[in-house]
Amino acid sequence: DAKTTQPPSMDCAEGRAANLPCNHSTISGNEYVYWYRQIHSQGPQYIIHGLKNNETNEMASLIITEDRKSSTLILPHATLRDTAVYYCIVRAENKLVFGAGTILRVKS
Amino acid sequence: NAGVMQNPRHLVRRRGQEARLRCSPMKGHSHVYWYRQLPEEGLKFMVYLQKENIIDESGMPKERFSAEFPKEGPSILRIQQVVRGDSAAYFCASSRSGVNYGYTFGSGTRLTVV
Repeated sequence: DAKTTQPPSMDCAEGRAANLPCNHSTISGNEYVYWYRQIHSQGPQYIIHGLKNNETNEMASLIITEDRKSSTLILPHATLRDTAVYYCIVRAENKLVFGAGTILRVKS
Repeated sequence: NAGVMQNPRHLVRRRGQEARLRCSPMKGHSHVYWYRQLPEEGLKFMVYLQKENIIDESGMPKERFSAEFPKEGPSILRIQQVVRGDSAAYFCASSRSGVNYGYTFGSGTRLTVV
């Protein structure tokens, strides 16, 4: 069962930053926070993951609160192609369990 | 460096036939996972395999479904005597060992049972 809570949907203007929140209040010390997205009916795409520290890569930034009970995925300059379902996943074992995710709609 | 390869991309089967879905993991990845996505629904875990071993099959239906990952060759998800409710997208993913490694997903196989 998913251990995360995400808003069902969000809108973002093209060119602006998209900030996607995720609550994981029951996270354990050895559990990682992973973010994936699924564009239309394609295979899920890895975005970023982290344990304690904030992380940044070419796609996005991940901000994890100090108590690790929540995190935010930031797409710095959203484009129309970023419209997708975004999944926040807490992972301790080898198995990733997907929840319902957040539908992000980027609008021009 | 090729990604996770799934074939076929689309598969049509009549009720009662068998469906075989193939997945070749990324080079260097020894873990394979299968997920199913029914129309308008989320991704559901089915099975996790390593070479020649099934590690976790908690998401597999009890009947008609089986999976293998032989020493040589791709991983196979086999569905016997398909029914219309099996129509879905089946995604395969692979990873290295360890929770600090993400999965890489394939493009999926769309199974349609007519």
